[in-house]
Amino acid sequence: DAGVIQSPRHEVTEMGQEVTLRCKPISGHNSLFWYRQTMMRGLELLIYFNNNVPIDDSGMPEDRFSAKMPNASFSTLKIQPSEPRDSAVYFCASSPGVVETQYFGPGTRLLVL
Amino acid sequence: KQEVTQIPAALSVPEGENLVLNCSFTDSAIYNLQWFRQDPGKGLTSLLLIQSSQREQTSGRLNASLDKSSGRSTLYIAASQPGDSATYLCAVRRSNSGYALNFGKGTSLLVTP
Repeated sequence: DAGVIQSPRHEVTEMGQEVTLRCKPISGHNSLFWYRQTMMRGLELLIYFNNNVPIDDSGMPEDRFSAKMPNASFSTLKIQPSEPRDSAVYFCASSPGVVETQYFGPGTRLLVL
Repeated sequence: KQEVTQIPAALSVPEGENLVLNCSFTDSAIYNLQWFRQDPGKGLTSLLLIQSSQREQTSGRLNASLDKSSGRSTLYIAASQPGDSATYLCAVRRSNSGYALNFGKGTSLLVTP
């Protein structure tokens, strides 16, 4: 298996623009996680899906952030409008079961100017 | 709220040394604890997972221990190599919401030839 795939790997955008990050989990995994990593706050869970259903979105910082999982092989994280403080590395991870090892993608490095 | 702390934040050792990385957590009601490795510009790779009922796990030159009552875990790396240079993160899974991982900010390890 190719592992968790994320795109784009790097994104530079201007404040106010819409940003869409994409994730393809490992086939057969039923749990998907979006994380954000910054120097100040470390790795934080943004949202968790189980069987394509959002279970916990309490980590989503505000209404500008939204996430979807239309099917078992695709998820998106959208920021609209983006702000400089959203600059971070965004990781997607998947796992075969809710308490099993999570497999991380390479991340998307986002810079909002 | 579960707080996870890793000390030291950075460590530099000469090749061949044995070393210990430390992780502490504030809430002992955990489901399991994982150690991850993160290489620059890449995602996280799971190294070891210790269930709350276990005391330690070993994989090759790596040994992780868990003392749940004192809220501590250590990652022991034997005979360090330059290829071990990376950031090592500790993550705790809470027992009342099995999917959520609380991460420490990591220890950046440099092994010099």
